[in-house]
This record gives sequence, C-alpha cells and structure tokens, in this order.
Amino acid sequence: EIVMTQSPATLSVSPGERATLSCRASQSVSSNLAWYQQKPGQAPRLLIYGASTRATGIPARFSGSGSGTEFTLTISSLQSEDFAVYYCQQYNNWPGTFGQGTKLEIK
Amino acid sequence: QVQLVQSGAEVKKPGASVKVSCKASGYTFTSYYMHWVRQAPGQGLEWMGIINPSGGSTSYAQKFQGRVTMTRDTSTSTVYMELSSLRSEDTAVYYCARDRSYIAPWGDYDAFDIWGQGTMVTVSS
Repeated sequence: EIVMTQSPATLSVSPGERATLSCRASQSVSSNLAWYQQKPGQAPRLLIYGASTRATGIPARFSGSGSGTEFTLTISSLQSEDFAVYYCQQYNNWPGTFGQGTKLEIK
Repeated sequence: QVQLVQSGAEVKKPGASVKVSCKASGYTFTSYYMHWVRQAPGQGLEWMGIINPSGGSTSYAQKFQGRVTMTRDTSTSTVYMELSSLRSEDTAVYYCARDRSYIAPWGDYDAFDIWGQGTMVTVSS
C-alpha cells in the first residue's frame, strides 16, 4: 500500500497571501494524484486531478504540480472560503490512499 | 444536476450490521463506478471499496474483506454498502463517491468527482 505524507499538518496564512501545501508518495504514482478540500461538516470536494488539472468549477487560484513522488497544491491568493482541510490522494495503485490532511487556517 | 443522496444517520450496537444507501441522479448510473470512503471523527479519509453499477462487480479494501458488501439496484439508481460485525472503531461518516472516469476499464480507477453528503454511523452499546 502506498503511503501519502502531507506537510505541514497545519499551515497558518493571511488572507490574500499564497499557500503552498506538499504531498509525498512512498513510491511513484506517476501523475495519478488528486487534491480535495473539506470544510467542517461537509463532504470532500475534488479540486485537482491528474496532479495539475482543475476540476469543473474550481477557481484558477488553485493549481497543482508535480509527478512521481512529490506534489504541490498552491493557492495563489487566499480567500476566506479557502480555509479548510486539504487531502491528497493517489489513485495509481489500489487501494487508493489519502494523506492525513493539511489544515489551512487563518493567520 | 448530478448528485448523490445518502440515507440518514444510524446508531447500532456492537456486533450488528448497518446498510447505507446512496441514490444517484442527474447522470447515467451505469456509466460510472462508485466508491465508498469513510472518515472516523477527527480523522482522515479511508477507502473501503468500489462497485461497478453496470455489472455489479466489486473490489474491497483488504481491511474490510469479509465484513463489507456493496450492491446496487439499477432500477432505482442506488448503491448500497453493508458493514457487518460492527465495533466501536467503525463509528464514522460513510461517503459514497463517484469515480470520475466514464465507462473506464475495470481496475483503471480515477479521482472522485461527486460525493454524497455522508452518513454518520455510530456504534455504541
């Protein structure tokens, strides 16, 4: 089973600033990597798939990069609605596995 | 619009079984695989398994083998997840989630683009 490790566990950023979240896979997952956003009491929402393709309706301030074992989610200018928990998930090898999440909080 | 609507919260005693439903609408039910994911309180996401709504094929995470059964009813566009021999560690929110790929080869799974609202299952004596 592939282990996904996200860092940092918590990230404190001011509105309007840039946030950079990292995800590392224990072995290569090619570009089969997704990012999800989850707000309290809600289901996760797909943001990015294929490591860098935005899902339908996702604002352009969200961008994903990386391949192999190292991936990054960047939010270019944080809005109030972006403060949430973010999960990465690999779907290259099954079972698909998730990282433990990064909580993005207001500084 | 495309949506997945799950059944309501459940409270079960240890050793019992629970069956959660997930009704799909707004798209061709048999053209997209469906996954089940759970999330224990304050914890991360855990994949449980997948079902092909077209033929009914399933694949389960090893952790749940022997305890989980996923089925579907094409007449009502509904998938079901039944978990047996419940224990306190099974207390979690259970989600159904649609695989993003359209009529993909079995085993070639993708990210999850549509999620149900979640069903809270509490296991307590």
